[in-house]
Amino acid sequence: KAGVTQTPRYLIKTRGQQVTLSCSPISGHRSVSWYQQTPGQGLQFLFEYFSETQRNKGNFPGRFSGRQFSNSRSEMNVSTLELGDSALYLCASSLGGISNQPQHFGDGTRLSIL
Amino acid sequence: GENVEQHPSTLSVQEGDSAVIKCTYSDSASNYFPWYKQELGKGPQLIIDIRSNVGEKKDQRIAVTLNKTAKHFSLHITETQPEDSAVYFCAPSDSNYQLIWGAGTKLIIKP
Repeated sequence: KAGVTQTPRYLIKTRGQQVTLSCSPISGHRSVSWYQQTPGQGLQFLFEYFSETQRNKGNFPGRFSGRQFSNSRSEMNVSTLELGDSALYLCASSLGGISNQPQHFGDGTRLSIL
Repeated sequence: GENVEQHPSTLSVQEGDSAVIKCTYSDSASNYFPWYKQELGKGPQLIIDIRSNVGEKKDQRIAVTLNKTAKHFSLHITETQPEDSAVYFCAPSDSNYQLIWGAGTKLIIKP
């Protein structure tokens, strides 16, 4: 069974630009969640999508948004990029809720802002 | 909101010895307690989890113990091997149906 796939693996952008990251979950998983990982703040929850609806949201500004398609694939968009957005962005999929089911993570997209 | 503390931040043990990492949390509504392992260049991987109605769970060399009264749970790795070297995270659930991640413990296995 294929794991969670994130594309691209690496991305370099400049301040003010926008970026879209992609995540393909494990087949049959309907929940997709996104996390930001930085050395200073650790792993922080961005949002969760389930059956194309945002079901849960962390404390990030509106510049961070996402969506989920009918095949459960998900995209995350960050607009007006800031230097502080440099991070590893992780996607995870699960069968059910994120707070009581194992999360299966991809290897992340490393975003660098110049 | 949930406050999670993980100790120690770095743990160095001799190969073959045991390692113990402790996680304390503050939300009394927490009812799911997973541990994840993250290797360099990879995403976190679930290694063991426990639910609030169970005090201990074991899977070969790995075990998790939960003390709900004291609000802490611990990861125990016995007979450590070089491939156990990684960063380990606890991530208890909170009342907002999210996981709150600890800061991580870097485990170093000395040959």
